[in-house]
Amino acid sequence: IVLTQSPDTLSLSPGERATLSCRTSQSVFSEHLAWYQHKPGQAPRLLIYRASSRATDIPDRFGGSGSGTDFTLIISRLEPEDFAVYYCQLYGTPSGIIFGQGTRLEIK
Amino acid sequence: QVQLQESGPGLLKPSETLSLTCTVSGGSISSYYCSWLRLSPGKGLEWIGFLHSGGNSNYNPSLKSRVSMSLDTSKNQFSLRLTSVTASDTAVYYCARLLGYSFDSWGQGTLVTVSS
Repeated sequence: IVLTQSPDTLSLSPGERATLSCRTSQSVFSEHLAWYQHKPGQAPRLLIYRASSRATDIPDRFGGSGSGTDFTLIISRLEPEDFAVYYCQLYGTPSGIIFGQGTRLEIK
Repeated sequence: QVQLQESGPGLLKPSETLSLTCTVSGGSISSYYCSWLRLSPGKGLEWIGFLHSGGNSNYNPSLKSRVSMSLDTSKNQFSLRLTSVTASDTAVYYCARLLGYSFDSWGQGTLVTVSS
């Protein structure tokens, strides 16, 4: 199974809506899909688990959805601190736990 | 709140063995899956493996022949050992807690460089 994130880079302005995609090469259990935010020099931060559940202390502007092979992370209104790299992650593949290649969200 | 901190040498020569330790505070490692991951420019985020005090373990098939993990519950620490390193093992290494199907707590990461 391969995770493909798109786009590789997304250029938006604060206040705009961000839509990040994660596609799997075959249908998977949505419970096994998670999203992370990563800023340079910091620990990655779990945002969404089980495809749509927000992790502890994650603002409600972050939302996850999807099933089968198509999953989406939406940030409804971008704040300055949201510009980072975002990864999707899948548990339970023949290769174990795998990650997408990441989407870089940059300030336009 | 669980906190994790990696420690270990930052520079290795090819063919040496990488050894890292993760010290955990705010929770007992006996109750969850202790994991290692790494981030490199060429490979992105890569899961290395996890280990539970109950004996359950799983390693990335691409690294399995070179990886071992261990727990020291008395010190609330767990460790990673990766043998025969090459330049492609240069990365930031993270320890993390696997809770359910995702990693909910991570260390800050430690850079390991492999260079002659």
